[in-house]
Amino acid sequence: QVQLVQSGAEVKKPGASVKVSCKASGYTFTSYYVHWVRQAPGQGLEWMGTINPSGGATNYAQKFQGRVTLTRDTSTTTVYMEMRSLRSEDTAVYFCARVDYYDSGSSFYFDYWGQGTLVTVSS
Amino acid sequence: QSVLTQSPSVSGAPGQRVTISCTGTSANIGAGYDVHWYQQLPGTAPKVVIYGNTYRPSGVPDRFSGSKSGTSAFLAITGLQAEDEADYYCQSYDSSLSAYVFGSGTKVTVL
Repeated sequence: QVQLVQSGAEVKKPGASVKVSCKASGYTFTSYYVHWVRQAPGQGLEWMGTINPSGGATNYAQKFQGRVTLTRDTSTTTVYMEMRSLRSEDTAVYFCARVDYYDSGSSFYFDYWGQGTLVTVSS
Repeated sequence: QSVLTQSPSVSGAPGQRVTISCTGTSANIGAGYDVHWYQQLPGTAPKVVIYGNTYRPSGVPDRFSGSKSGTSAFLAITGLQAEDEADYYCQSYDSSLSAYVFGSGTKVTVL
């Protein structure tokens, strides 16, 4: 069965960096894009960016461009999200999500999600 | 502020029908981009209940249905049940932002 298992909660100081992992299993890793979405406490969902596990190409929301880097390791079927220069407003649960395609592959939605990783930024 | 606007909350008695709206613009829903709906129970990851405006994934009860018209999309839940109490988010793509966008979320309360 498809699973996305994320790394555990992190507590970081302002200005630090954090790297969250998302290990995929149960499907062909290189066949499905993985996206990252975050959710601040009591708030809605915010799309951050995506990575193509096949070639490593990435696309980021403008808000996170330059501060977030998505990478993947095909040998361990793991995707990573690294965020730098953390500030208190980055305190949130970070989710990875796999896409599923429909409409002959021209469209997709998020079908499997990781369990979420809480990142707390506090001095 | 979310790009897609949803009413903050909606409620209904068990067995009733509730409808959640998701209003966008000509850069997202109005441009023809599909809308997907996710259900989020407290402390858990979102789960898709409707994709491609109207399609229901296997395993999702047929009490859930979706529609789209102009710059808005709608999620209807008929025969409301206690386990439907959750937050619901719409999601689409915005061409002016070149980004995938979510609605502000609607809390469904079963009275």
